[in-house]
Amino acid sequence: AQSVSQHNHHVILSEAASLELGCNYSYGGTVNLFWYVQYPGQHLQLLLKYFSGDPLVKGIKGFEAEFIKSKFSFNLRKPSVQWSDTAEYFCAVKGTYKYIFGTGTRLKVLA
Amino acid sequence: DTAVSQTPKYLVTQMGNDKSIKCEQNLGHDTMYWYKQDSKKFLKIMFSYNNKELIINETVPNRFSPKSPDKAHLNLHINSLELGDSAVYFCASSPGQGQRTDTQYFGPGTRLTVL
Repeated sequence: AQSVSQHNHHVILSEAASLELGCNYSYGGTVNLFWYVQYPGQHLQLLLKYFSGDPLVKGIKGFEAEFIKSKFSFNLRKPSVQWSDTAEYFCAVKGTYKYIFGTGTRLKVLA
Repeated sequence: DTAVSQTPKYLVTQMGNDKSIKCEQNLGHDTMYWYKQDSKKFLKIMFSYNNKELIINETVPNRFSPKSPDKAHLNLHINSLELGDSAVYFCASSPGQGQRTDTQYFGPGTRLTVL
């Protein structure tokens, strides 16, 4: 069965700290992988996506993610977080017919 | 220009009522989706339409009926609303779920509160 798991449900960091959010997926075919961000009270916005090629993808707002096929992982990273990064982060995989989302990681950045 | 729009943004109603949420996309996409996000932020696919045809129906109660008059619109009608229907409903669209580089774009959401 296709699934996505995000291990960190809540993360609290101070400004300027480095961030890494874990995402593991289970899918047997060719995967398309995504990270979305949902700021408080807003809709989901695309941060970055991976289809093929360079496994290190760069997105908006200084975020990047690395696809490691052998580990079925697509972890999100940012070298130095800001208070404005406080949000919910969702990893998603596109299977044959639908997108499957992880349960989300709530990030709180303390000023 | 708003890419994916939903109306209304907020909806407060009594149990047992029937209500509709509308979604429109101006991106020229072929595929549209409805998701339900519960109070724990869990995002669950409900329906997906490709060129006005239903392709995903994720064991949603038949009180929920999607309608796609054309590929730019996907409306959601809910009959006999229940307390458990309270959630944020997101519409999304993508160029085409069969495309290799398909990517979803989300609307602003409709917060439904059933009293």
